[in-house]
Amino acid sequence: SAVISQKPSRDICQRGTSLTIQCQVDSQVTMMFWYRQQPGQSLTLIATANQGSEATYESGFVIDKFPISRPNLTFSTLTVSNMSPEDSSIYLCSVVAGTEAFFGQGTRLTVV
Amino acid sequence: DAKTTQPTSMDCAEGRAANLPCNHSTISGNEYVYWYRQIHSQGPQYIIHGLKNNETNEMASLIITEDRKSSTLILPHATLRDTAVYYCIVGNAGNMLTFGGGTRLMVKP
Repeated sequence: SAVISQKPSRDICQRGTSLTIQCQVDSQVTMMFWYRQQPGQSLTLIATANQGSEATYESGFVIDKFPISRPNLTFSTLTVSNMSPEDSSIYLCSVVAGTEAFFGQGTRLTVV
Repeated sequence: DAKTTQPTSMDCAEGRAANLPCNHSTISGNEYVYWYRQIHSQGPQYIIHGLKNNETNEMASLIITEDRKSSTLILPHATLRDTAVYYCIVGNAGNMLTFGGGTRLMVKP
């Protein structure tokens, strides 16, 4: 299994600012993913965070808006840039260990 | 697009078995069936997964049809704490998961 710690757990931010979310895993993992869950919706994959290379983004998500870092096999950050109220969501980090995916508790972001 | 179809919502009486169906008619040979649940305001929690054989663990049982086109998650004795959104997902082992809408299970006293 894998234990994931996400910070912050929640934040309220002003529009136009940026927030960096941290994801720390208790073991080395190859694959890390970032998801967004908008209010009342299911999870949507933002990007795959690759160690040693640029992240791979899903359709509808771009690096300028959601820059991602993956400096090592236990840590990643997601930045939500130039925020607007439409970015209010829960952002979740996920890792794969073996055949299972594990999730952090998420970061609840409210943009005002 | 998600590869699974689930009922939007279901009710279950406390103490009874909750049987959650899932259709995945386009599943390919190397894809697993995964079940996760999400209790309000928390991250998704792994429940169980299987390839073609039925599986059981301390949380639930997973019944996969012989043609693998559908499956059922069984919570043998549902409690109020099992109220959650249950996601059935098909995907390759060790890869990212594509979530559908899930089933909102309400366990009632």
